Amino acid sequence: QKEVEQNSGPLSVPEGAIASLNCTYSDRGSQSFFWYRQYSGKSPELIMSIYSNGDKEDGRFTAQLNKASQYVSLLIRDSQPSDSATYLCAVNLGDAGNMLTFGGGTRLMVKP
Amino acid sequence: EPEVTQTPSHQVTQMGQEVILRCVPISNHLYFYWYRQILGQKVEFLVSFYNNEISEKSEIFDDQFSVERPDGSNFTLKIRSTKLEDSAMYFCASRLVSYEQYFGPGTRLTVT
Repeated sequence: QKEVEQNSGPLSVPEGAIASLNCTYSDRGSQSFFWYRQYSGKSPELIMSIYSNGDKEDGRFTAQLNKASQYVSLLIRDSQPSDSATYLCAVNLGDAGNMLTFGGGTRLMVKP
Repeated sequence: EPEVTQTPSHQVTQMGQEVILRCVPISNHLYFYWYRQILGQKVEFLVSFYNNEISEKSEIFDDQFSVERPDGSNFTLKIRSTKLEDSAMYFCASRLVSYEQYFGPGTRLTVT
């Protein structure tokens, strides 16, 4: 059973702080890792992808991957109220269909 | 910026009726997907489609479901005889060669 686990939250941070979101996955064969943002009633929006161990930065977002620990994280610097959403971790094995397995998401609340 | 589109945004149907959900993937993308999200639950993979055939499907995607790419732009999901438990948001996604999948806005299916 391929599992992707996230703390459901809510994670509450003040405006301007760093938000740290975590995700663990069960399948060691996983090759690609993604963070999606989902506002209530909307579809998942891709914000970061990461494929190799280490950090990847894009603007205020940094994704971190540790395959040995089967752990992915997302840091959001200078958090804004507009960042308030559910953040979904998604993983795929890189097999023929390249299906994504999603975690349940962490709800982030950024308070002004 | 190109995006995935889906119609209708909301479909209400009676149990036992057939529904067709439509998607127009991003124009040069090659791989197409359907996912669903029951209210308050995880996003779940249904099926992936490449080169005019299904490349992978989940246990959810039983004989009641089918997919088709009837022309060069549309990608459809058909549910032959809807059940109450089919009520969910259905998301279409597409990708080019990289593993990054882009989601459409979704169709909310309500089965009464």
